[in-house]
Amino acid sequence: QKEVEQDPGPLSVPEGAIVSLNCTYSNSAFQYFMWYRQYSRKGPELLMYTYSSGNKEDGRFTAQVDKSSKYISLFIRDSQPSDSATYLCAMRKGGYNKLIFGAGTRLAVHP
Amino acid sequence: GAGVSQSPSNKVTEKGKDVELRCDPISGHTALYWYRQSLGQGLEFLIYFQGNSAPDKSGLPSDRFSAERTGGSVSTLTIQRTQQEDSAVYLCASSFGQEESPLHFGNGTRLTVT
Repeated sequence: QKEVEQDPGPLSVPEGAIVSLNCTYSNSAFQYFMWYRQYSRKGPELLMYTYSSGNKEDGRFTAQVDKSSKYISLFIRDSQPSDSATYLCAMRKGGYNKLIFGAGTRLAVHP
Repeated sequence: GAGVSQSPSNKVTEKGKDVELRCDPISGHTALYWYRQSLGQGLEFLIYFQGNSAPDKSGLPSDRFSAERTGGSVSTLTIQRTQQEDSAVYLCASSFGQEESPLHFGNGTRLTVT
């Protein structure tokens, strides 16, 4: 079993839809949680960063962490065709520098 | 530049040849990471540098893979006697080195072994 599980999709939604992306993990030692967005032939770019449990909002993006369920989510409101990309969750244990990534979910937002 | 720079952006090599991939981290970042991304896969950790030393090289897949970092800045990932299964995108990232510091990635080197 992988430490971080993420449905690879693809996920196809119409423009304006609310998108929900999720990851589950098995190790309760994870404390830092990130979402990266990766466009085709580009490197991952940091989208959201959360420490421990709770919610964080930035514009159209909301990240949620539920440590009791070992479950993290990224919500995208009013999705746009420019949001079409692969979304990677990543997490890190306290005291460690290495980031562990999910497999990534491919999202397509069609006009 | 302001971001992580990797070169070359693309590399095609014949099976059995050696290749060197270069990474220039963001200025001031003490930590540097190498990851590998195979087609349709997530990122696989290879090695982590803090300054010039590598406290975690647990992800290097075989002794054909090695990496070094000099001057606390530029890093080179070397793959000897390349195999077709080495074909992937090799991504470099850097950070300020604290556990809460996020990683910032370059655009990667796309390696194709024929």
